[in-house]
Amino acid sequence: NAGVTQTPKFRVLKTGQSMTLLCAQDMNHEYMYWYRQDPGMGLRLIHYSVGEGTTAKGEVPDGYNVSRLKKQNFLLGLESAAPSQTSVYFCASSYSESLLRGYEQYFGPGTRLTVT
Amino acid sequence: KNEVEQSPQNLTAQEGEFITINCSYSVGISALHWLQQHPGGGIVSLFMLSSGKKKHGRLIATINIQEKHSSLHITASHPRDSAVYICAVRGANFGNEKLTFGTGTRLTIIP
Repeated sequence: NAGVTQTPKFRVLKTGQSMTLLCAQDMNHEYMYWYRQDPGMGLRLIHYSVGEGTTAKGEVPDGYNVSRLKKQNFLLGLESAAPSQTSVYFCASSYSESLLRGYEQYFGPGTRLTVT
Repeated sequence: KNEVEQSPQNLTAQEGEFITINCSYSVGISALHWLQQHPGGGIVSLFMLSSGKKKHGRLIATINIQEKHSSLHITASHPRDSAVYICAVRGANFGNEKLTFGTGTRLTIIP
């Protein structure tokens, strides 16, 4: 199993450009998450999804959109990139609510995005 | 004040030393996670616990629900343990699927 994969690994954008980050998981997880990680701050939740066709806002959703058309994929879009969106983006997935499985999250390798 | 506070922020130790990293939180929780972020950036889950103590190899995690505090211990530390260790909590509300993260403790083990 590949686990959680993210593409691309690195990207440089100019202000105002758009892009989509792709997250894929092969563990049949219901829940998927997008986080951003900035120096001196903990991981912050951007958007998440509790199942195919559903999405919800996290802590810092502004400037981002997401879609979960297939259970295994979770896309994060930046419609008009800004320098404040320079960050490392992590995708994660987990099983749905289960006392046995306990929500352990599996993380992708990250995407380093620079907006100039 | 952050909901999740870790201490210390940075820790440097000699190989073989016993390591303790602390995590305090201010909200009611259903579970606490410890994660490890490697120097290359990858994040892996080490433990998830809601009470008591868990052990995996040289790593031990404990939690005191009444005191809202958890510790991660590493015995016989090794340079390969050098990483950022992150504490995260899940809220107590039933069905709460989101985590709140601490800012991490950067551990460096010197040979």
